[in-house]
Amino acid sequence: AQSVAQPEDQVNVAEGNPLTVKCTYSVSGNPYLFWYVQYPNRGLQFLLKYITGDNLVKGSYGFEAEFNKSQTSFHLKKPSALVSDSALYFCAVRDSNDYKLSFGAGTTVTVRA
Amino acid sequence: DAGVIQSPRHEVTEMGQEVTLRCKPISGHDYLFWYRQTMMRGLELLIYFNNNVPIDDSGMPEDRFSAKMPNASFSTLKIQPSEPRDSAVYFCASSLTLTYEQYFGPGTRLTVT
Repeated sequence: AQSVAQPEDQVNVAEGNPLTVKCTYSVSGNPYLFWYVQYPNRGLQFLLKYITGDNLVKGSYGFEAEFNKSQTSFHLKKPSALVSDSALYFCAVRDSNDYKLSFGAGTTVTVRA
Repeated sequence: DAGVIQSPRHEVTEMGQEVTLRCKPISGHDYLFWYRQTMMRGLELLIYFNNNVPIDDSGMPEDRFSAKMPNASFSTLKIQPSEPRDSAVYFCASSLTLTYEQYFGPGTRLTVT
């Protein structure tokens, strides 16, 4: 079985400050990890993924994430947040032995000016 | 490419009526997924297709739900008869392979009164 947890329902930061959205996962095989962002009344947009290789993955809009196998984590980060980063963020995992993509419950990010 | 296209964007119907949601995946993508998003249950995978063939429909809530993919560029999700508890946002997504990221459409917001 596979699962993903986003321990924070909400994250609030000031514009210009670093932003971190946490994600931990559980799989039996090797993990394929993804981050998506959802703006109001929109579909999910792909930000970045980890399949294999370098543990630090860079994605769209200045976001990056670090795969940590020992801590089974894949936290999303941005060095300097923008007000326009305010949205709902989803972490997702797929076990290399399975087809199904499991999503976390989502974290609402609010960046205040 | 225009991305994944879904129609209608909004649907309001009365209980007992038939509802048909439509999806056009990204050209060349071999996998198509239907999801449902609600506040209570988050994102749920309903069914997915590979090369137009339904592979796993275990997420379909009950027999009132059915999905088809008559060709590589079109899929439908049908609910007959609809019930108020079916109210949700329904997303269609497509991907090149299972390893690659999924690209989501804008969703159909269904309200059953």
